[in-house]
Amino acid sequence: EVQLVESGGGLVKPGGSLRLSCAASGFTFSSYSMNWVRQAPGKGLEWVSSISSSSSYIYYADSVKGRFTISRDNAKNSLYLQMNSLRAEDTAVYYCARAPDYGDLPEYWGQGTLVTVSS
Amino acid sequence: QSVLTQPPSASGTPGQRVTISCSGSSSNIGSNTVNWYQQLPGTAPKLLIYSNNQRPSGVPDRFSGSKSGTSASLAISGLQSEDEADYYCAAWDDSLNAVVFGGGTKLTVL
Repeated sequence: EVQLVESGGGLVKPGGSLRLSCAASGFTFSSYSMNWVRQAPGKGLEWVSSISSSSSYIYYADSVKGRFTISRDNAKNSLYLQMNSLRAEDTAVYYCARAPDYGDLPEYWGQGTLVTVSS
Repeated sequence: QSVLTQPPSASGTPGQRVTISCSGSSSNIGSNTVNWYQQLPGTAPKLLIYSNNQRPSGVPDRFSGSKSGTSASLAISGLQSEDEADYYCAAWDDSLNAVVFGGGTKLTVL
């Protein structure tokens, strides 16, 4: 069974930093692209970033480019999102999501971790 | 403003058939496949339809998807109260090099 468990969320001040983690199990992590998707309170889904299986291809939404960094450690079956220069508008539940082996769109989703940016 | 356009709301009575539209452009829906996700209140999104019209194992055949040109649709037949949820379409956008989502449609079962 595919399992994705996010951690690292919490309350941070504007301008601060936070590192999210996603622990994967139940599949061969190193074979799949991964995504981060966020959802602000009461709002829709917003894609944040994608990383290919070997980290060769990395993409970011314009809203986070230059501030967020996605990475993965295939030996540890883990996905990360380093978030710097956080803003109030980054407040959201952040989901880790696995893509299928045939494409890029999210297939399996974690339960999410809440990030709140507030003074 | 979402890249993919969905109606903000839809509704139907139990047993009815409802459809939710998703409009895009040549750089996303027009050249790539579409997924649909269901998000029940307080839960994570769940894949409902992939590759335009394929259902993952466990998804009832009451749910179906289609795509034509730069638009896609999700149809739900035999509407049930447990179908009350938010529904999102998504596609890869070749111009943005990004996954793009619709703004979501809140389905109410009257």
